[in-house]
Amino acid sequence: AQTVTQSQPEMSVQEAETVTLSCTYDTSESDYYLFWYKQPPSRQMILVIRQEAYKQQNATENRFSVNFQKAAKSFSLKISDSQLGDAAMYFCAASNEKLTFGTGTRLTIIP
Amino acid sequence: KAGVTQTPRYLIKTRGQQVTLSCSPISGHRSVSWYQQTPGQGLQFLFEYFSETQRNKGNFPGRFSGRQFSNSRSEMNVSTLELGDSALYLCASSLDNVLGTEAFFGQGTRLTVV
Repeated sequence: AQTVTQSQPEMSVQEAETVTLSCTYDTSESDYYLFWYKQPPSRQMILVIRQEAYKQQNATENRFSVNFQKAAKSFSLKISDSQLGDAAMYFCAASNEKLTFGTGTRLTIIP
Repeated sequence: KAGVTQTPRYLIKTRGQQVTLSCSPISGHRSVSWYQQTPGQGLQFLFEYFSETQRNKGNFPGRFSGRQFSNSRSEMNVSTLELGDSALYLCASSLDNVLGTEAFFGQGTRLTVV
């Protein structure tokens, strides 16, 4: 069984600043993927970034990057140069045969 | 390319009734998964279908069932509705069921049971 824990229910950041969202996971699988999904008020979940567990190099997608610490089972998301459009619920998820989601972090951007 | 389409967007049902939700995946995608999202339980996996076969099932009672058609469209059925079934039901489609394949989500169906 997989579990995903997001310990920050809410975070806020000043526009243009950097924020890091935390995520820890537990899995007995040797091969898995980790994801960060964004759910804006429109409700549609959008993939932000993904990381294969076998890859040591941290994934990056423009202003979004992860800090993947496999031994610590940690997978944090860093958002640089925060923009108003980044305001949303962010879900960390682990995938083997199915996606297991964390409880989410609501990110507020302060203008 | 059209995204994942879920219908209806909103639904109000009475306890004891049954409901059917529909999901049309992105063209060419063969895997469809369903999730229940509630404020208390978060996002929970219901089941996954691939090429008309259920491949995985979450920990939900037998009142929750689904199916997938030959065109990959999927339906989810909930019988004997309970107040606790009120939730946002999300459907996600993937090109295949290979590990790590990106899942694309629909906007969901908001079900309210009264």
